Amino acid sequence: DAGVIQSPRHEVTEMGQEVTLRCKPISGHNSLFWYRQTMMRGLELLIYFNNNVPIDDSGMPEDRFSAKMPNASFSTLKIQPSEPRDSAVYFCASSFRQISGNTIYFGEGSWLTVV
Amino acid sequence: KNQVEQSPQSLIILEGKNCTLQCNYTVSPFSNLRWYKQDTGRGPVSLTIMTFSENTKSNGRYTATLDADTKQSSLHITASQLSDSASYICVVSAGGTSYGKLTFGQGTILTVHP
Repeated sequence: DAGVIQSPRHEVTEMGQEVTLRCKPISGHNSLFWYRQTMMRGLELLIYFNNNVPIDDSGMPEDRFSAKMPNASFSTLKIQPSEPRDSAVYFCASSFRQISGNTIYFGEGSWLTVV
Repeated sequence: KNQVEQSPQSLIILEGKNCTLQCNYTVSPFSNLRWYKQDTGRGPVSLTIMTFSENTKSNGRYTATLDADTKQSSLHITASQLSDSASYICVVSAGGTSYGKLTFGQGTILTVHP
């Protein structure tokens, strides 16, 4: 399996522009997570989907952020309009939810710089 | 408030030496504890997952311990290699109505020198 696939790997954009990050989870996984990582705050959960349904979006910083999962094999995280403080690494992760604990597999991240 | 604290923040050791990283947590109810390794510029990779009933789990040269009573975990690395240089992140998963909610530590940055 190719693992969790994210695109783009790197993006530099101007403040005010729309940014769309894409994720393809591991086939067969039913949970998908979007995380943001910064030096100051470490890894933070933004939103979590189970069976394509958003379960917990309490980590989404503000209305400028939105996430969708139209099907089991694709998700997007959109920032509109982007701001310099959004600069971070955004990770998508997926897992197969089970009671006794589940390994969460991370993608390689999308490195976003907003100037 | 659920928290995960790791120590030390950073650690430098010589190749071949052993080291131990610490993790204290206040997550309740507890479901499981995970250790991840994150190489620079890469995504985190799972090393171990331990549930309440597990005291120790090994993955090659990595051995994790869990004391659910004191809410402490450690990650021991034996015979360190240069490739062990990375950030090690302790992650605790909540149970009950907060099932699956993860709380991340800030990580310990390990540098292994030749």
